[in-house]
Amino acid sequence: DAGVIQSPRHEVTEMGQEVTLRCKPISGHNSLFWYRQTMMRGLELLIYFNNNVPIDDSGMPEDRFSAKMPNASFSTLKIQPSEPRDSAVYFCASSLERTGELFFGEGSRLTVL
Amino acid sequence: EDQVTQSPEALRLQEGESSSLNCSYTVSGLRGLFWYRQDPGKGPEFLFTLYSAGEEKEKERLKATLTKKESFLHITAPKPEDSATYLCAVARAGTALIFGKGTTLSVSS
Repeated sequence: DAGVIQSPRHEVTEMGQEVTLRCKPISGHNSLFWYRQTMMRGLELLIYFNNNVPIDDSGMPEDRFSAKMPNASFSTLKIQPSEPRDSAVYFCASSLERTGELFFGEGSRLTVL
Repeated sequence: EDQVTQSPEALRLQEGESSSLNCSYTVSGLRGLFWYRQDPGKGPEFLFTLYSAGEEKEKERLKATLTKKESFLHITAPKPEDSATYLCAVARAGTALIFGKGTTLSVSS
């Protein structure tokens, strides 16, 4: 079975550029989560969706970050403009229910120069 | 404010040397406590869910226990392949999982 699929796996960009990260959740899962992982702060929740509707975006750092889930099989996380402090590994995860077991993708490692 | 604190940050063991990892939490209305394993360059992988104080779960050399304030992940006779970062997370009503920063375990032969 295909797990959560994220792309790109690695992204190197320059400050000020737009970055789009993509996620395909596991088919049948109705909750989707975006987390960011750094050495300093660990895994932080950015936003999560339930049935394609954003439920909690309080973890989104600022207006430069936006996330969409146009349908049950696709989500994007966009950063515009990007800054060096955005450098991190961004994980997408999905689950059958909000507080259930999360299935994580392999992550997208973002480096902003 | 909900908090999840894991200790120690790093742990080095010899193969066969048993030990425990700690996860202490403060959260109102705990719905579940989760343990995940994360290998370098990979996403976290689910290990256990515990729902109530006194509950225990086992998987191979790992056993997770839960009290009202903390959880322990006991590792019995570890092997080098148990080397990874172990993450603890809590769930409460109305939010997604809140993760601790993890304990990085290194087991040498």
